[in-house]
Amino acid sequence: GENVEQHPSTLSVQEGDSAVIKCTYSDSASNYFPWYKQELGKGPQLIIDIRSNVGEKKDQRIAVTLNKTAKHFSLHITETQPEDSAVYFCAASPPGTYKYIFGTGTRLKVLA
Amino acid sequence: NAGVTQTPKFRVLKTGQSMTLLCAQDMNHEYMYWYRQDPGMGLRLIHYSVGEGTTAKGEVPDGYNVSRLKKQNFLLGLESAAPSQTSVYFCASSSDDRALGETQYFGPGTRLLVL
Repeated sequence: GENVEQHPSTLSVQEGDSAVIKCTYSDSASNYFPWYKQELGKGPQLIIDIRSNVGEKKDQRIAVTLNKTAKHFSLHITETQPEDSAVYFCAASPPGTYKYIFGTGTRLKVLA
Repeated sequence: NAGVTQTPKFRVLKTGQSMTLLCAQDMNHEYMYWYRQDPGMGLRLIHYSVGEGTTAKGEVPDGYNVSRLKKQNFLLGLESAAPSQTSVYFCASSSDDRALGETQYFGPGTRLLVL
């Protein structure tokens, strides 16, 4: 069935360094790829998304890249800050379904 | 505009008891979803609805039932709770209008403990 693998499961970086989280999806027809941030005790919140007709998207310190041939996409956070500490989830959405297949999450810790 | 709200925030049940989790959204979204979140397993889709009066099974539907009698509400029922249903439950909603995007908006979650 459809599957999204996410790595690493935990990531610790020093404040100011960059963080990269990678996801691989199995359904080559997937065409929408959102990234969510979940803070402790809260629901996931969308931070950035990308569609299959775009290779890269950037929003201030956050960027997402998509490689359709390899079926993987990555989240890049630059100049990390303590408030970036959270669990991040990637997801892939097959066309016409409005359903997401989520990765298993990455716990990011930004050390001050 | 409250977005997506969930009731209750936390509940403790005994094995065999029943309960209903309520999700409400005020964004006029057609699509609504129920997920469960367990450590190391991410978010797994239980049931979803593509409009008022419709429901469909997701990835892990067993032991749960849902109803969408009103567009703004999506109810998740546990008829006979089991310890394996201890989890955090999230509701989400999204628009069916591609022009508005397909982002799912999540509620704050309901933490359920089944003893």
